[in-house]
Amino acid sequence: EAGVTQSPRYAVLQEGQAVSFWCDPISGHDTLYWYQQPRDQGPQLLVYFRDEAVIDNSQLPSDRFSAVRPKGTNSTLKIQSAKQGDTATYLCASSLGPYAEQFFGPGTRLTVL
Amino acid sequence: TQTVSQSDAHVTVFEGDSVELRCNYSYGGSIYLSWYIQHHGRGLQFLLKYYSGNPVVQGVNGFEAEFSKSDSSFHLRKASVHWSDSAVYFCAVSAGNNAGAKLTFGGGTRLTVRP
Repeated sequence: EAGVTQSPRYAVLQEGQAVSFWCDPISGHDTLYWYQQPRDQGPQLLVYFRDEAVIDNSQLPSDRFSAVRPKGTNSTLKIQSAKQGDTATYLCASSLGPYAEQFFGPGTRLTVL
Repeated sequence: TQTVSQSDAHVTVFEGDSVELRCNYSYGGSIYLSWYIQHHGRGLQFLLKYYSGNPVVQGVNGFEAEFSKSDSSFHLRKASVHWSDSAVYFCAVSAGNNAGAKLTFGGGTRLTVRP
């Protein structure tokens, strides 16, 4: 069974540039999560979906971050105007239902100069 | 709001030693607790979880954890570690009707196993 895949694996930007991260969850998993993990810290939930619906985006900086999952499968997280404080690894995870264990992808390491 | 604390940022042991990684939480209601492992440069992998029932839960690769409501703790243990157990370990909590969904992670404990 293929795991959660993410691309790109690395991204380096100047402040003010935009970037998109893509996630392909495990087939059949209805719940998808995006986390931000600053260096040497635990992951922090940004947003999660059940199918195509956003369930919780209360921690997503809505002025610059957006996330979509239009068909309830793949998902895209976008940063419109990156800041140095956005430097972190962005992790995608999926689960079969909201109360099951979460399976994580390898992450995208973002550096904003 | 639930919080989780991992008091040891770094733990170093020798191969074959036992180890306990500490996790304490704060929340007054029903709670879902789990542990994840993260090897360098990789995503997190699930180890085990507790929601109800037997407070001692078994996970993969010989790990177990014990829930204590009185101590607000969910410590992770292994009787005999291997060098491949070197990684960062995260405790996570979720509360109430979000059980299992909206996880709050601790800061992590880096375990180093020396040969």
